[in-house]
Amino acid sequence: GQNIDQPTEMTATEGAIVQINCTYQTSGFNGLFWYQQHAGEAPTFLSYNVLDGLEEKGRFSSFLSRSKGYSYLLLKELQMKDSASYLCAVTPGSNYQLIWGAGTKLIIKP
Amino acid sequence: DGGITQSPKYLFRKEGQNVTLSCEQNLNHDAMYWYRQDPGQGLRLIYYSQIVNDFQKGDIAEGYSVSREKKESFPLTVTSAQKNPTAFYLCASSVPGASYGYTFGSGTRLTVV
Repeated sequence: GQNIDQPTEMTATEGAIVQINCTYQTSGFNGLFWYQQHAGEAPTFLSYNVLDGLEEKGRFSSFLSRSKGYSYLLLKELQMKDSASYLCAVTPGSNYQLIWGAGTKLIIKP
Repeated sequence: DGGITQSPKYLFRKEGQNVTLSCEQNLNHDAMYWYRQDPGQGLRLIYYSQIVNDFQKGDIAEGYSVSREKKESFPLTVTSAQKNPTAFYLCASSVPGASYGYTFGSGTRLTVV
């Protein structure tokens, strides 16, 4: 079967750094996405990785290791508005459908 | 500006009634999707369509129906056969090419009263 695992919830302090991990076991691999979802709202695109390594975008970075089936999302200089759920998703096949993890709820404390 | 519009944002339904959720996109995307999200859970695929006049069941299609008569529109009907329909429903669309990911509508929160 296809499986994506993420921690259910994490807590961090404003101004700090947090790393959210995602491991996947899928029938194929055509890329991994991270989305941010605030409560009651739609997910919004954060990053896409298809090759191994680190992709940096401002305060957010995403890392991928295909051989390990592993990714992480790194958030720096945390702000209160970063309190949200972070969803990891993999596209395993050529039709580009996404398989979703259950999401990690990130709580930021002052 | 292009995007996906879902309506209504909040919907209340009596038990035993069918209800239709609207999803319209002007992004010229070929593929469209319906997801259900329950509190504290991830996205579960209900139906998807990759081309007009064709759609496929997702993981939890029972009690739901869809149509895709136009490229822009992919309405979802929640039927009375759906035993626990109270949830947050999200519509999404995409184009071929993995790096684009999905674009989501703002969602419809359905409550059965």
